[in-house]
Amino acid sequence: EAQVTQNPRYLITVTGKKLTVTCSQNMNHEYMSWYRQDPGLGLRQIYYSMNVEVTDKGDVPEGYKVSRKEKRNFPLILESPSPNQTSLYFCASGREADTQYFGPGTRLTVL
Amino acid sequence: DQQVKQNSPSLSVQEGRISILNCDYTNSMFDYFLWYKKYPAEGPTFLISISSIKDKNEDGRFTVFLNKSAKHLSLHIVPSQPGDSAVYFCAASPATDRGGSEKLVFGKGTKLTVNP
Repeated sequence: EAQVTQNPRYLITVTGKKLTVTCSQNMNHEYMSWYRQDPGLGLRQIYYSMNVEVTDKGDVPEGYKVSRKEKRNFPLILESPSPNQTSLYFCASGREADTQYFGPGTRLTVL
Repeated sequence: DQQVKQNSPSLSVQEGRISILNCDYTNSMFDYFLWYKKYPAEGPTFLISISSIKDKNEDGRFTVFLNKSAKHLSLHIVPSQPGDSAVYFCAASPATDRGGSEKLVFGKGTKLTVNP
């Protein structure tokens, strides 16, 4: 089954404790991206990747890191999470940005 | 600066009637537009799209209209069904020098409720 998977689906952590949210796709897509969804703000892009070793900032990259060492994986790293990063995070992949398939989401709470 | 605007946070319609969801954009470099549908506890799913060279695209009960001069697009759902109740996001992709797309800019979403 073609899909985008994210882990964990739910995470509660404390300020400053480094965490990684994994994202994997099995569709051989070149494009991958991370978004956060916040009430009243819609979906905002954090980082995107056009291909392996090619990443670029989206609209809200501050406080996040990404890497793209393999085509199928695109982890999101929060080196020192803060409460304002409490959000619902979505990973997506596609041939291009305009044909993205989204994962089920990761709900992160930073205390 | 919000480049893609969905000014109606919510919309309620009766089953069987038409639902019209609106979206405005400010960036004239956008050349591809999409609508995504999102149910609670799920990721957004692609619904329908339209290229800037067209003014209408239809897929079953869903039709998207694009008015480039007004920088406005709309999604029509006819007839509306209770299962259409979801949040609908408008999104736009700017043209790139190489062709293809690199970014997708989303609106804030409109919550549609279709009442039986």
